[in-house]
Amino acid sequence: NAGVTQTPKFQVLKTGQSMTLQCAQDMNHNSMYWYRQDPGMGLRLIYYSASEGTTDKGEVPNGYNVSRLNKREFSLRLESAAPSQTSVYFCASSNYLGQALNTEAFFGQGTRLTVV
Amino acid sequence: RKEVEQDPGPFNVPEGATVAFNCTYSNSASQSFFWYRQDCRKEPKLLMSVYSSGNEDGRFTAQLNRASQYISLLIRDSKLSDSATYLCVVNLGLTGGGNKLTFGTGTQLKVEL
Repeated sequence: NAGVTQTPKFQVLKTGQSMTLQCAQDMNHNSMYWYRQDPGMGLRLIYYSASEGTTDKGEVPNGYNVSRLNKREFSLRLESAAPSQTSVYFCASSNYLGQALNTEAFFGQGTRLTVV
Repeated sequence: RKEVEQDPGPFNVPEGATVAFNCTYSNSASQSFFWYRQDCRKEPKLLMSVYSSGNEDGRFTAQLNRASQYISLLIRDSKLSDSATYLCVVNLGLTGGGNKLTFGTGTQLKVEL
């Protein structure tokens, strides 16, 4: 019962370094998401992929890029990390069932990223 | 205006109390609605879906008012284990399929002895 798997769980980067956060789901969901969570700000949508082959910007896309590699995998890339990107990152997936009902989102365990 | 707005709290209540959380959303085309629970430093998990007719799951009751674009969660007989952050979630089902899930900032609940 893997669900949504995110790697890595923890990461420390220096300003200007790049990295890719990996996310994979085994539930055959068509929609996948990347959120960041900061104290007092809640979960903010960075990018989402409504279905395989599509990606769209969310609320806070600047400084990030994404790739929907296939139906299972959705990666998030930081090209040049900045201290403002210190956050907890969550990947999630959900399914569309015609009427958008019962579209429960399942989350990975999160990646705690610190940029120094 | 934020797409989904919640009172951040914290709500500090004694064990056994009834507590209500509110949430408003801005996009009238939103199709489905949920409450999620998030424990400290963990991932959010679905608490319950919210339907126009209202729905109940044990001590938890959720209501949706589409006309006012308002969602509520009522917790009766609060337990210490209810202490968590409660997230209001709105799904904008997209033309052609797919979802866009938007979260509120969450309301923190602390249940005390």
